Amino acid sequence: EAGVAQSPRYKIIEKRQSVAFWCNPISGHATLYWYQQILGQGPKLLIQFQNNGVVDDSQLPKDRFSAERLKGVDSTLKIQPAKLEDSAVYLCASSLLDRGELFFGEGSRLTVL
Amino acid sequence: SQQGEEDPQALSIQEGENATMNCSYKTSINNLQWYRQNSGRGLVHLILIRSNEREKHSGRLRVTLDTSKKSSSLLITASRAADTASYFCATGGGKLIFGQGTELSVKP
Repeated sequence: EAGVAQSPRYKIIEKRQSVAFWCNPISGHATLYWYQQILGQGPKLLIQFQNNGVVDDSQLPKDRFSAERLKGVDSTLKIQPAKLEDSAVYLCASSLLDRGELFFGEGSRLTVL
Repeated sequence: SQQGEEDPQALSIQEGENATMNCSYKTSINNLQWYRQNSGRGLVHLILIRSNEREKHSGRLRVTLDTSKKSSSLLITASRAADTASYFCATGGGKLIFGQGTELSVKP
């Protein structure tokens, strides 16, 4: 069974530039999550999708972050414009049930200079 | 805000010793999950314990849950160098919220 795929693995940009991260969840998983993990901290939930609908985006900085889940499968997380404090690893996860085990991708490490 | 808080923040032991990590949380839960994260990698699910369970085993892992104290512990027995990683508890009714993690170092 293929795992959660994320790209790119690494991205370096300058502040005020934009960046996009892509995630392909495990086939059949209805729930998809984007987490932000700052170095030395635990993952913080940014947004949760159930199929192609948003379940929770209460911690998504909507002035600069946006996310969509195309046709209830792939998802893209965009940051525009980026700030220095956005430097983090962006983790995508999916689950079969919205309260079950999460399967994580390897993450996309963003460095904002 | 973080729901779960792990303790200790860092733990260093010798191979063969047992490692115990604790997690405290604030609100009622449906289940509590433990994850492992190796450096530079994604998180890997270890074990899920439901709110009506008190103890669960999986290989060398033993998890306990005390809902009256809103706490859980993860015990890794006979640790190996390969167990070196960060360990996170995660709780939540609908959305899963992670703690800050315990960084475990197992020295050969």
